[in-house]
Amino acid sequence: DAGVTQSPTHLIKTRGQQVTLRCSPISGHKSVSWYQQVLGQGPQFIFQYYEKEERGRGNFPDRFSARQFPNYSSELNVNALLLGDSALYLCASSLAGGNEKLFFGSGTQLSVL
Amino acid sequence: GQNIDQPTEMTATEGAIVQINCTYQTSGFNGLFWYQQHAGEAPTFLSYNVLDGLEEKGRFSSFLSRSKGYSYLLLKELQMKDSASYLCAVRELGSGAGSYQLTFGKGTKLSVIP
Repeated sequence: DAGVTQSPTHLIKTRGQQVTLRCSPISGHKSVSWYQQVLGQGPQFIFQYYEKEERGRGNFPDRFSARQFPNYSSELNVNALLLGDSALYLCASSLAGGNEKLFFGSGTQLSVL
Repeated sequence: GQNIDQPTEMTATEGAIVQINCTYQTSGFNGLFWYQQHAGEAPTFLSYNVLDGLEEKGRFSSFLSRSKGYSYLLLKELQMKDSASYLCAVRELGSGAGSYQLTFGKGTKLSVIP
């Protein structure tokens, strides 16, 4: 069975550009969460989606947005990129977005120059 | 909000036992997780505690004291492949109805030496 898959694996952008990151959850999982991990830090919660609806949002500016599709895959969009947005972006899926453990993808390494 | 503290780095010898501590302050506590993360890879689930006490899983054990806001991860019979970052994460109710979010500590980088 495939785990959580993310694309692309690496991405280089310049300041002011926009980026879209993609995530496919484990088959049967209906909840997707996004995390940002800066080098040397733990992952920081950005969004949680369940059944195509936003369930939770972390302390990130409105430049960050996301959505979940009917097949439960998800996209994370970041507008007007800043140097500080350079990080590993992790997607995690779970069965129902409640009291279950998260399964993480390998992430997208975003570099903003 | 939450505050989660764990040591930045630890070194231990192959075959030994190491204990990684985690302290937290939170409202709406709903469980504590430990994840392992090798450099450049995804975090992988190790253990979960929601009630006080010790949970054992092979070479790995995790302990929780909710009244003290304290947990530890115990790794026995250390192997070189255990060199990784170990992330303590606290789950609490999120901002949306029925949502939960994990707040991670900064991670403890464990180096296992021969």
